[in-house]
Amino acid sequence: DAGVTQSPTHLIKTRGQHVTLRCSPISGHKSVSWYQQVLGQGPQFIFQYYEKEERGRGNFPDRFSARQFPNYSSEPNVNALLLGDSALYLCASSLARPQHFGDGTRLSIL
Amino acid sequence: RKEVEQDPGPFNVPEGATVAFNCTYSNSASQSFFWYRQDCRKEPKLLMSVYSSGNEDGRFTAQLNRASQYISLLIRDSKLSDSATYLCVVNTGGFKTIFGAGTRLFVKA
Repeated sequence: DAGVTQSPTHLIKTRGQHVTLRCSPISGHKSVSWYQQVLGQGPQFIFQYYEKEERGRGNFPDRFSARQFPNYSSEPNVNALLLGDSALYLCASSLARPQHFGDGTRLSIL
Repeated sequence: RKEVEQDPGPFNVPEGATVAFNCTYSNSASQSFFWYRQDCRKEPKLLMSVYSSGNEDGRFTAQLNRASQYISLLIRDSKLSDSATYLCVVNTGGFKTIFGAGTRLFVKA
């Protein structure tokens, strides 16, 4: 079975632009969570989607939003990018617990 | 105070050593607990779940003390391949999962 797949692997944007990331969960997993990981720190919880609704959110501004589709894939969107948004963005899917992670998308803001 | 705190290390140990990592959490209502391993520039991978009764998987033993809000991971007979960052993870109930900052382990020959 395929694991959690994320795209793209790497992305370069400039300040003020917006970005959309993509994640396909493990087949059968209905919950998708997103994390931001800055170098040297643990992943920070952004939000979780379950049955197409946001069920939980961490301390991230409204510039961060997402959608979950009927096939449970998810696309977060970040508007008005800041230099501080440069990070590894990790998608995790689960049926209940624990979560399984994709390889991540490394976002660099210039 | 951070919701999940870990000793950042790094821990530098020789092959064959026993090493222990500690983690504390602040939310007494936390419901589930895990240790993940993360290699450099890779995604976190589940190492093991943590239960109050303690659980063991080969050379790895995890323990949860709910009264002290404390989680531990013990690695026996360390191997070079154990070198990684170990992340303590707490699910606070509902849909929020909190990671510690991670403890770096270097095992040297």
